[in-house]
Amino acid sequence: EAQVTQNPRYLITVTGKKLTVTCSQNMNHEYMSWYRQDPGLGLRQIYYSMNVEVTDKGDVPEGYKVSRKEKRNFPLILESPSPNQTSLYFCASGQQGIAYGYTFGSGTRLTVV
Amino acid sequence: QKEVEQNSGPLSVPEGAIASLNCTYSDRGSQSFFWYRQYSGKSPELIMSIYSNGDKEDGRFTAQLNKASQYVSLLIRDSQPSDSATYLCAVRNTGGFKTIFGAGTRLFVKA
Repeated sequence: EAQVTQNPRYLITVTGKKLTVTCSQNMNHEYMSWYRQDPGLGLRQIYYSMNVEVTDKGDVPEGYKVSRKEKRNFPLILESPSPNQTSLYFCASGQQGIAYGYTFGSGTRLTVV
Repeated sequence: QKEVEQNSGPLSVPEGAIASLNCTYSDRGSQSFFWYRQYSGKSPELIMSIYSNGDKEDGRFTAQLNKASQYVSLLIRDSQPSDSATYLCAVRNTGGFKTIFGAGTRLFVKA
């Protein structure tokens, strides 16, 4: 089954404790991206990657890191999480090209206390 | 001005009616436009894409694009209670590498 797999689904952590949210896709998509979703603000892009070893900042990259060492994986790293990073996070992937939409993962609900 | 604007709703329509969802965008050079449906607690799901002016139909869904007015809409015919969800408008930017989402319109279809 074609899918984007995120883990974990739920995570509660403390301020400053490094964490990684994993994302993997099995559709051989070149493009992958991370979004956060907050009430009233919609989906905001954190980082995106157009292919292996090619990443760029989205609209809200502060406090986040990513890497794209393999085509299928695009982990999101929070080196020192803060409470304002409490949010619902989605990983998405898609084919290159203007006509293609994204397939989203199931989401990770992160709470930083 | 937000890059992609949608009325937050809720938009309430009776079962069987046409639901009309609207979206405006600010980047005149935007190339492609998408509608996603998101049920409560779930991830967004792509339902329509459009990149040429005019209408595009897929089953009960019709997407309409007017680049001159920077306006895109989604019509849902014969609305069903199962269509009750938040609908996200998304716009791909001039470079084609970023997709900006609106905050979404909540649709409620009354049985």
